[in-house]
Amino acid sequence: DVKVTQSSRYLVKRTGEKVFLECVQDMDHENMFWYRQDPGLGLRLIYFSYDVKMKEKGDIPEGYSVSREKKERFSLILESASTNQTSMYLCASSLMAYNEQFFGPGTRLTVL
Amino acid sequence: EDQVTQSPEALRLQEGESSSLNCSYTVSGLRGLFWYRQDPGKGPEFLFTLYSAGEEKEKERLKATLTKKESFLHITAPKPEDSATYLCASLQGAQKLVFGQGTRLTINP
Repeated sequence: DVKVTQSSRYLVKRTGEKVFLECVQDMDHENMFWYRQDPGLGLRLIYFSYDVKMKEKGDIPEGYSVSREKKERFSLILESASTNQTSMYLCASSLMAYNEQFFGPGTRLTVL
Repeated sequence: EDQVTQSPEALRLQEGESSSLNCSYTVSGLRGLFWYRQDPGKGPEFLFTLYSAGEEKEKERLKATLTKKESFLHITAPKPEDSATYLCASLQGAQKLVFGQGTRLTINP
C-alpha cells in the first residue's frame, strides 16, 4: 500500500515565522502535490512537482514555496506565515499524471 | 473555467436506505473522474477512478458510474460506518485535479 506521511498532525506558529511542512512517500511516485483545505472552499492546489527539482504552480501559490530535492520528499514552505494561512494542509502523490492521487493524513496549521 | 459540482451538500439516511450522490463536471476533454472518501480530520482516501462514459466500478456497498456530464456514487444498504464526506474530482490537463465541495453523508443506525 502507498504510504504518504506528513511531519506533523498539528502545528501552531506565530505571524511572520518561517514554516516548513514535510511530506514523504514510500512508493517511488513521480508526482507530488500540496493542497490546502478550507470549509466552504474545498481542496485547492498550491504547488505540484512531477520530478525531482521540478515544480509547477497550482491555483493558489502566493505566499508559498516548495522544494523537492529527493524523489520521495516534497516540502512546503511558508516564508512568512500569516493568519490567512491557517488551514488543513494535505500532501498527495501519484505514480503517473493520470493516476489516482494518494493523500497523507494532513497537517492542521494554526497561525496566531 | 472547468468546474466540479457535487449535490447534495449533505445527506442523512437511515441504515439500509439506499441513495445516490451526484457529481457534475464541465471539463472539456475529461481525462479521469475520481471519487474519494474523507473522514473528519483525515486525508481523503481513494475509492474509484473512471475514465470513460459508461464505465462502472464497485466496492462493497459503493458503485460509481460515469456519463459524459456527470458521475454518480450509488450507496446500497448503507451502514453507519459509511458516514463520511465523499469528494469527487476531475483530472484536467496533465496532472491537475479539480475537486468538488463534497457531500457530507450521515447514516443513522
